[in-house]
Amino acid sequence: ETGVTQTPRHLVMGMTNKKSLKCEQHLGHNAMYWYKQSAKKPLELMFVYSLEERVENNSVPSRFSPECPNSSHLFLHLHTLQPEDSALYLCASSLSTGLSGYTFGSGTRLTVV
Amino acid sequence: AQTVTQSQPEMSVQEAETVTLSCTYDTSENNYYLFWYKQPPSRQMILVIRQEAYKQQNATENRFSVNFQKAAKSFSLKISDSQLGDTAMYFCAFILNAGNNRKLIWGLGTSLAVNP
Repeated sequence: ETGVTQTPRHLVMGMTNKKSLKCEQHLGHNAMYWYKQSAKKPLELMFVYSLEERVENNSVPSRFSPECPNSSHLFLHLHTLQPEDSALYLCASSLSTGLSGYTFGSGTRLTVV
Repeated sequence: AQTVTQSQPEMSVQEAETVTLSCTYDTSENNYYLFWYKQPPSRQMILVIRQEAYKQQNATENRFSVNFQKAAKSFSLKISDSQLGDTAMYFCAFILNAGNNRKLIWGLGTSLAVNP
C-alpha cells in the first residue's frame, strides 16, 4: 500500500477512555508528524519525529502521548481527553528536510463525548 | 514571526472558468519553499504545487499555476478550466530552508466551490 494510511477513520470516545491513533507510511520517508485540525483555526503541529526521535513537542498536553517505534509507524495514544480535543487529527510524512512537501493521510475524525 | 495570510475565506467559480486564490506571507529569511495544498471533502491534504523561492520562474502543474512575487511576498494560485473535483479547501504554506527544525507555516485556508 502506498501513501500514508491512518486508522481509524472515525473515533468516538468518552473522557475516561484510552485509545490510540495509528499512522503508517511506506514511502521511505524519515520524518513523521501529527497535526490537529480544528474549524477556523490554523493547522496545529503537535509532534515531529525525525529518524524515530522526537524533535518537536509544541506544548501539547500530556493526555496526548506519541510513539514512533520505527520510521514507518507513528502512534498517538489518547487518555482522559476533553471535549475540546475533538478535531481532525492528521498524520504526515516527509523526507527529513521537508522541502519536497509533506504527504498526508486522510485523518482520524475524533469526537470526545 | 513567520505568518501566512489567505484573505479570501470562501470563493466560488463556475465550471470551466478561471479562479485565483491569494496568499501573502511574511518572513525575514531569503531561502524557503512555498506550497499550495488542497483538502477535498475526503479530508486528505494533497500537494498541488511547489515553488522554490530562489527560482523566478512560476511553477505550473497542468491546470494549476502560481504567480510568485518574491518582493511583495505574494504567492497566488490560479486554477484554469475549473472542474467540479476542484471543490476543496486550499491551503498556502511555506517552509524555511534553514536550521535543523524546519516546519511548514500554514494559512487558514480558502474554501473553493466549483459550481456546475
